[in-house]
Amino acid sequence: DAKTTQPPSMDCAEGRAANLPCNHSTISGNEYVYWYRQIHSQGPQYIIHGLKNNETNEMASLIITEDRKSSTLILPHATLRDTAVYYCTLNSGGYQKVTFGIGTKLQVIP
Amino acid sequence: EAGVTQSPTHLIKTRGQQATLRCSPISGHTSVYWYQQALGLGLQFLLWYDEGEERNRGNFPPRFSGRQFPNYSSELNVNALELEDSALYLCASSYRGKLSGANVLTFGAGSRLTVL
Repeated sequence: DAKTTQPPSMDCAEGRAANLPCNHSTISGNEYVYWYRQIHSQGPQYIIHGLKNNETNEMASLIITEDRKSSTLILPHATLRDTAVYYCTLNSGGYQKVTFGIGTKLQVIP
Repeated sequence: EAGVTQSPTHLIKTRGQQATLRCSPISGHTSVYWYQQALGLGLQFLLWYDEGEERNRGNFPPRFSGRQFPNYSSELNVNALELEDSALYLCASSYRGKLSGANVLTFGAGSRLTVL
């Protein structure tokens, strides 16, 4: 019952930008968009989050459409260490459960 | 700052036994989340505790239960183990200083349960 949909897999050439899309058409006004990644069965790692404005940190950029129904995570210069499963999830901080979909398996190719 | 710690790292049980998994959140975090990740699958939400109370529960049978202690650490119990309970069990913690707003989850490395 995940509230987001993502492509199951993507490839990206090393050094190029990786653009990972996420659809969240039923997002409510107080829900933030979060991105996490999981490298080979380790615990997922937080990447970035945003409400309505685009956000950037040392790891990635997050672009949220104006209607907030979709977003894109951008890894500006993908490296082999970015090969992982990337999860997009929603969270308002309220008492609803935080669910994850199957994520996107990103393969960075040398 | 110590991260989220989970124990044991690996656990092997047989069908019908009980398993207990433990989680210590980051200091200052009051919420603990449990997820099940079967091999090759995504994270399935199990349970969420905040301030000692169960706040939400995923679509799992009652033999999956847990609790949160006064120091905010948590325990997940799985009774009457079945083969399909074999999975990586992940714990995450967060600080919920207010009911709404950003809520970043920090995950532990997980406990791998194998049921034979």
